[in-house]
Amino acid sequence: EAGVVQSPRYKIIEKKQPVAFWCNPISGHNTLYWYRQNLGQGPELLIRYENEEAVDDSQLPKDRFSAERLKGVDSTLKIQPAELGDSAVYLCASSPLLPGRPKNIQYFGAGTRLSVL
Amino acid sequence: DQQVKQNSPSLSVQEGRISILNCDYTNSMFDYFLWYKKYPAEGPTFLISISSIKDKNEDGRFTVFLNKSAKHLSLHIVPSQPGDSAVYFCAASKPSYDKVIFGPGTSLSVIP
Repeated sequence: EAGVVQSPRYKIIEKKQPVAFWCNPISGHNTLYWYRQNLGQGPELLIRYENEEAVDDSQLPKDRFSAERLKGVDSTLKIQPAELGDSAVYLCASSPLLPGRPKNIQYFGAGTRLSVL
Repeated sequence: DQQVKQNSPSLSVQEGRISILNCDYTNSMFDYFLWYKKYPAEGPTFLISISSIKDKNEDGRFTVFLNKSAKHLSLHIVPSQPGDSAVYFCAASKPSYDKVIFGPGTSLSVIP
């Protein structure tokens, strides 16, 4: 079974430029998460989707960040314009809805390391 | 306000010995706790979890202990192996809610 796939793995851009990250979750996982991980810190949730619906986007900086999950499968996270402080690793995760299994166990992709110069 | 704390940024242990990674939390509403392991250039992978109705959960070489009164949990790895060298994240969540709060992580080095 293929894991969570993210691309690109690395991205270097200049500040004020736009950038987009793509995530393909594990097949059949209806819940998708985007996290940001700053150096020396744990992942912090940006947005959570249940199928196509964003059910928790309270931590997403909506002035510059946007996300979509069309057809409830893969997802794109965009930053426009990027700022120096956006340099971080952006992680995508997905989780299944299985009877009797906690929903909290998430499966992570390898992440996209963004450097804003 | 950090709700999940891992006060040791790093830990070094000899191969074959016990590794003990600690985690403290502040929110008494948390009822489910998880440990994730992360290798460089990879995403975190789930390791072991524990519900607040238990005080211990064991899976092979890995055991998690929960002390609710102290709001403290620990991960024990026995015996430690070089392949266990990674960053370990403690995480917690509230009932019926998917949001997981991660700690800052502890980098474990197992020395051969």
